[in-house]
Amino acid sequence: EIVLTQSPATLSLSPGERATLSCRASQSVRGLLAWYQQRPGQAPRLLIYDTSNRATAIPARFSGSGSGTDFTLTISSLEPEDFAVYYCQQRSNWPLTFGGGTKVEI
Amino acid sequence: EVQLWESGGGLVQPGGSLRLSCAASGFTFRSFAMNWVRQAPGKRLEWVSTISPGDTNTYYADSVSGRFTISRDPFDNTLYLQMNSLRVGDTAVYYCARRGPNWGHFDYWGRGALVTVSS
Repeated sequence: EIVLTQSPATLSLSPGERATLSCRASQSVRGLLAWYQQRPGQAPRLLIYDTSNRATAIPARFSGSGSGTDFTLTISSLEPEDFAVYYCQQRSNWPLTFGGGTKVEI
Repeated sequence: EVQLWESGGGLVQPGGSLRLSCAASGFTFRSFAMNWVRQAPGKRLEWVSTISPGDTNTYYADSVSGRFTISRDPFDNTLYLQMNSLRVGDTAVYYCARRGPNWGHFDYWGRGALVTVSS
């Protein structure tokens, strides 16, 4: 099983600041990594797929990068609605696995 | 517009059974891999099961293999999860999710159904 480790667990920032979230895989995921946003009481929403592709209707302030085992989600300038929990997920191997999440808080 | 809507959640005793349903609309249901993903209170997301396009293959997490069964009815665009021998540790919100084209990531999600296993 591929284990995904996210850091930091919590990121405390202000609106307008830049957020950088990390996801490290226990083995290569061949770029098949996604990022999801989950607001309290809501279902997850796909933000980025296959490392760097923005999903439908996702604003350009969200970007993804990385390769091999190390990946980054960057939010260039935080909006109030961006304060949420973010999960990475790999589809390289069964079982599909998620990271433990990073909470972006004000 | 793609929509997914779960139903069938509730309270069940340990050892009991429950069947979740997910009504799908807005896309060609049989052409996509469909999935169940769960989230225990305060915990990370956990993939549970997948059924392939055309229903040729099913996949399960080790934690549910042998107890849960995924299936779909292509005639009424409904995904199912039959859950037997339920345990306290199965308590979670269960989400129905579609994988994108060519076995992509989870691109659409339902709002979730709460399953509570407790005596």
